Amino acid sequence: KNEVEQSPQNLTAQEGEFITINCSYSVGISALHWLQQHPGGGIVSLFMLSSGKKKHGRLIATINIQEKHSSLHITASHPRDSAVYICAVPGNTDKLIFGTGTRLQVFP
Amino acid sequence: DTEVTQTPKHLVMGMTNKKSLKCEQHMGHRAMYWYKQKAKKPPELMFVYSYEKLSINESVPSRFSPECPNSSLLNLHLHALQPEDSALYLCASTPSGQGRETQYFGPGTRLLVL
Repeated sequence: KNEVEQSPQNLTAQEGEFITINCSYSVGISALHWLQQHPGGGIVSLFMLSSGKKKHGRLIATINIQEKHSSLHITASHPRDSAVYICAVPGNTDKLIFGTGTRLQVFP
Repeated sequence: DTEVTQTPKHLVMGMTNKKSLKCEQHMGHRAMYWYKQKAKKPPELMFVYSYEKLSINESVPSRFSPECPNSSLLNLHLHALQPEDSALYLCASTPSGQGRETQYFGPGTRLLVL
């Protein structure tokens, strides 16, 4: 069993739809990261959170420490949101343990 | 300046060549990372430098040789690579190397080994 699991692996949506990507982890953590990677591109850090909820524009990230679960929501999705979204948590030497990613495609 | 830069963007090399990848940041970060990423896979950590000292080497083959000449600069020297080393190589930095710090990634160098 992977220490960080994401679902779904692939997701397609119509423009304007509300999107949820889930991340479950099995290790104790100090923080959880949500990252975005556009095709052929580098990685951008979207959020780092250790409790509760964070919002940035149309993106919302939540975490439930007791349930070891985090969600990334995208409201009013747009084709430019098409990317791979990766959840990551620090391991015991502070290096990040990455989930396998969720590939999102938003169609006009 | 919250940018990590990497050069070159693309690199094609033969198995007998020697080349270097370069990564630079001017955010005053003291931890810098090299990752390797194959298509449709998450990044794999290769090396971590903390305060200009190598702190993590994830059992990377010796044909990859990292160097941190100063706190802003990180190099990855490549020699006698194999075709399976073709990948996107990403550099990242954090203020002090803690897991609860945001990692700032560069755009990557796409390497093709022929």
